[in-house]
Amino acid sequence: TQLLEQSPQFLSIQEGENLTVYCNSSSVFSSLQWYRQEPGEGPVLLVTVVTGGEVKKLKRLTFQFGDARKDSSLHITAAQPGDTGLYLCAGPSVGSARQLTFGSGTQLTVLP
Amino acid sequence: DAMVIQNPRYQVTQFGKPVTLSCSQTLNHNVMYWYQQKSSQAPKLLFHYYDKDFNNEADTPDNFQSRRPNTSFCFLDIRSPGLGDAAMYLCATSRVYLYEQYFGPGTRLTVT
Repeated sequence: TQLLEQSPQFLSIQEGENLTVYCNSSSVFSSLQWYRQEPGEGPVLLVTVVTGGEVKKLKRLTFQFGDARKDSSLHITAAQPGDTGLYLCAGPSVGSARQLTFGSGTQLTVLP
Repeated sequence: DAMVIQNPRYQVTQFGKPVTLSCSQTLNHNVMYWYQQKSSQAPKLLFHYYDKDFNNEADTPDNFQSRRPNTSFCFLDIRSPGLGDAAMYLCATSRVYLYEQYFGPGTRLTVT
């Protein structure tokens, strides 16, 4: 079974701090998606990275796909309370043309 | 706006009393998914459809069934809910398999 391990599992920081969340695997992924899930809501797609080494920016969020396409990171600059939520990475499951494998998630809390 | 709608947002049922959760989409996507999510964990895939082609995961309990009467609607039936079935149930759609998924807001199921 293909696994996506996210770290840290929990992160609590003060408003204005920077942070990085990691998504790692021993397997190669053709692409990775990042979702954010706010409390009581469904996950919302933030970005899809496809090319090894690719960097995508979404306002204060910077996403990077590893050169070997086995890992990805999400960096948030000057975190705000609105960034609070569960961050999930997901990628196509090996051996299945139909499913995504979701990472274990990083629960981020940004304190005002 | 095109979207994924889930009703109800909160559902309370008694142990062993059948319950049906509903999902509708205006995105005209071919694929619909049902996930179970417990306390800030990654979503766990229960079922998925490509049009009316139904697929259930090997570890989805027999207690769970699903129906997709047309492109827009999908239902999750829990025949005899147990305490362990209390969770957030998420419906998602995608244009085709492995494409970005669009999630509904979820139904929070409580079993008393």
